[in-house]
This record gives sequence, structure tokens and C-alpha cells, in this order.
Amino acid sequence: KAGVTQTPRYLIKTRGQQVTLSCSPISGHRSVSWYQQTPGQGLQFLFEYFSETQRNKGNFPGRFSGRQFSNSRSEMNVSTLELGDSALYLCASSLDRGIRYEQYFGPGTRLTVT
Amino acid sequence: GESVGLHLPTLSVQEGDNSIINCAYSNSASDYFIWYKQESGKGPQFIIDIRSNMDKRQGQRVTVLLNKTVKHLSLQIAATQPGDSAVYFCAETPLGGFKTIFGAGTRLFVKA
Repeated sequence: KAGVTQTPRYLIKTRGQQVTLSCSPISGHRSVSWYQQTPGQGLQFLFEYFSETQRNKGNFPGRFSGRQFSNSRSEMNVSTLELGDSALYLCASSLDRGIRYEQYFGPGTRLTVT
Repeated sequence: GESVGLHLPTLSVQEGDNSIINCAYSNSASDYFIWYKQESGKGPQFIIDIRSNMDKRQGQRVTVLLNKTVKHLSLQIAATQPGDSAVYFCAETPLGGFKTIFGAGTRLFVKA
């Protein structure tokens, strides 16, 4: 069974630009969560989607948004990029967050904002 | 590889010894706890989990202990191997919740 895939793996953007990251969950998984990982703040929860609905959101500004498609694939978007948005963005999928908490992570997208 | 954390607590053990990684969690309402392993350049990988109604759970070479009185979680790795070198995160999730809160992580070095 294929694991969680994320594209692109690496990205370099300039301050003020916007970026869209993509995540394909494991087949059959309907829950997708996004996390931001930085050396200073560690792993921080961004948001979680299930059946195309956002069920929970972390403490991030509105510049961070996401969506989920009917095939469970998910995208996250960051608008008006800031230097502090440089991070590893991780996507994780699970069968259903309310029943099975075990999450499977993708390799992440490394975003560098210059 | 990716730099997961520049200032993480570090545990250095000799190959073959047992390792104990500790974690203090924050929310007394958390119902579910997980340990993840993250190797350089990869996303976190599930190791073992435990629910709040248990105080111990064993897996293959790993044991998780939960002390709810002091909100403490530990991961024990038996006969540590060089392949165990990684950053280890504990994580907590409240009952019925959809948000997982990760600890800061501990870097484990295994000396051959």
C-alpha cells in the first residue's frame, strides 16, 4: 500500500508570494492533518480535514488555509509569505480521527522563504 | 538531512543498552498518547500508543509507561540499536479530539 505522498518536496519562495502544497493520503484514509515543523517551535498542528470539512484548526493566522477534495486529497495554502513561514510542512492521514488516532506521515515539503 | 530541532534534549546510549526517553504532557484531559520516531529527511513514524485507562503497553522492543498522576510518559527501548538513532516525539490527543499536540522531542544517539 502506498504511503502518504506530498508534493513538492522542496520549494523556495519570496516574501509576499503565496504557495500551495499538496498531500495524497493513504488509500482509504479519510482524515488528513497538516503540521508545521520548525527547529524553534517543533511540530505544531495547523488543521485537520475529514470528508472535505475542516474539523479542527490550530493557532495559525488566516494566511494559512486548506481544503480537502472528494478523493481525500488535501491542499494547504499560505498567502503573503513571511520569512517565519520557512518550515517543514507535514501531512498525516488516518482512517478516522474519531476512531483510530494512528496517523501516518508523509515526508514533508520543505518551504524556504527568502 | 533535515534539521528537526537544533536545541533538543539529547540522550546518548551504547549499542545494546536500554534507552528511556521521558516526556511530560500538559493536558490532564488527554485520552490518547503516542510515541513517534523521526529520522533525518523523513516524517514522523508511529511507534506505539497507549490510552489513558492503561499504565503500560508493550510492543516489539519498546514499552510505553503512563503515569497520569504526574502527567508523565516514557518510552523504553530494549537493546538499543544504531538504527534507533532518531528524534523521538511524544504526542497527546484529548478524548474525542482531532488535534494532536506534540512534545518538543528528544534526540537519541546510539554509539556503536
